[in-house]
Amino acid sequence: ETGVTQTPRHLVMGMTNKKSLKCEQHLGHNAMYWYKQSAKKPLELMFVYSLEERVENNSVPSRFSPECPNSSHLFLHLHTLQPEDSALYLCASSQDRGTETQYFGPGTRLLVL
Amino acid sequence: EDQVTQSPEALRLQEGESSSLNCSYTVSGLRGLFWYRQDPGKGPEFLFTLYSAGEEKEKERLKATLTKKESFLHITAPKPEDSATYLCAVNNYGQNFVFGPGTRLSVLP
Repeated sequence: ETGVTQTPRHLVMGMTNKKSLKCEQHLGHNAMYWYKQSAKKPLELMFVYSLEERVENNSVPSRFSPECPNSSHLFLHLHTLQPEDSALYLCASSQDRGTETQYFGPGTRLLVL
Repeated sequence: EDQVTQSPEALRLQEGESSSLNCSYTVSGLRGLFWYRQDPGKGPEFLFTLYSAGEEKEKERLKATLTKKESFLHITAPKPEDSATYLCAVNNYGQNFVFGPGTRLSVLP
């Protein structure tokens, strides 16, 4: 499945580093999402973009900063993260916000030292 | 508050041993219930959407059913390649997905 791609697949960073996660969808969808998946916890919705406009921010710390330059690309900028931010970060897209099916990318496995 | 729980947390089956996974939900207004499969190190893969109580959907060895409070994913004669984590999610009229914690299924040859 190459409909939604994410890079990098793995990332190790120190608490003082700045890095960015990238997501690209090739499905012609209008909505994109960032989720965080920690061990033994449900997927947590972080951000929702619809037609490139951020429509939801689920009380995510400011050390996570999303960017959606167009409907095909989504970024998650990371700075001064904490070890508890280590997780699998998943990007998803859907035809429109509220449309039933979300399609997920493979995720970026992030480790914060 | 919308909530999704799944049971069991983990399930080990012998190849060919049929069983069911449970997803219980409370939601202010159900727009749809979704099942996903997730393999280790990968993103969730969409399986089914159910919209109303009584609805059923099938795909190969999997069959999903829905009532007003829960959904079941029935696995008939599973094979080792069915081993994965199965996630349930609900979509409410607020247009967001709420995911359950998943059931980790292992099918032994």
